[in-house]
Amino acid sequence: DTGVSQNPRHKITKRGQNVTFRCDPISEHNRLYWYRQTLGQGPEFLTYFQNEAQLEKSRLLSDRFSAERPKGSFSTLEIQRTEQGDSAMYLCASSLGYRSYTEAFFGQGTRLTVV
Amino acid sequence: KQEVTQIPAALSVPEGENLVLNCSFTDSAIYNLQWFRQDPGKGLTSLLLIQSSQREQTSGRLNASLDKSSGRSTLYIAASQPGDSATYLCAVSGSGGSNYKLTFGKGTLLTVNP
Repeated sequence: DTGVSQNPRHKITKRGQNVTFRCDPISEHNRLYWYRQTLGQGPEFLTYFQNEAQLEKSRLLSDRFSAERPKGSFSTLEIQRTEQGDSAMYLCASSLGYRSYTEAFFGQGTRLTVV
Repeated sequence: KQEVTQIPAALSVPEGENLVLNCSFTDSAIYNLQWFRQDPGKGLTSLLLIQSSQREQTSGRLNASLDKSSGRSTLYIAASQPGDSATYLCAVSGSGGSNYKLTFGKGTLLTVNP
């Protein structure tokens, strides 16, 4: 499968615990994005990487959230001290492009439930 | 701030019917518009991408149009099938001048009844 891969698919955690999600983009894609989707809503932008550089972070990304993309390959999204409001689907997407936008391909998402 | 609205929020049709889903956006300064399909509990599958300079795109039974000046797009599905049942999301890029960030609508939940 050469699409965007996300792991784990589901994560249940207790409030206050830390969680980490992984995204493996399509191999030649230089752009990587994280979005968050809550029930009944469209996905909301969280952050964007071009290669290994994190170029934009949404105000939705509080200081408990951190994302990395070492060597411009896979990416991780960590949430520290989880809260019930963090329960959502976390979606990763990738695309190939520099000055222009090209089609973004999304992974299957990681469903986080904080109890 | 870009806002994307999708109407209707839900639609139920009998199999075989042609249907239209609507998407509107408040800021016409977009780079492009993308339609996605999302099955329950799953990620997003890209259906069609329309560049800002284009008026429409077609793929199989799907046809998407874009009227950038009026801030509107439609997704036309011909001869609907039960397998088309899903949530359809519209997204535009270009918010705040960035050519990478997508702003999504809340989606239209489509049910095609056999």
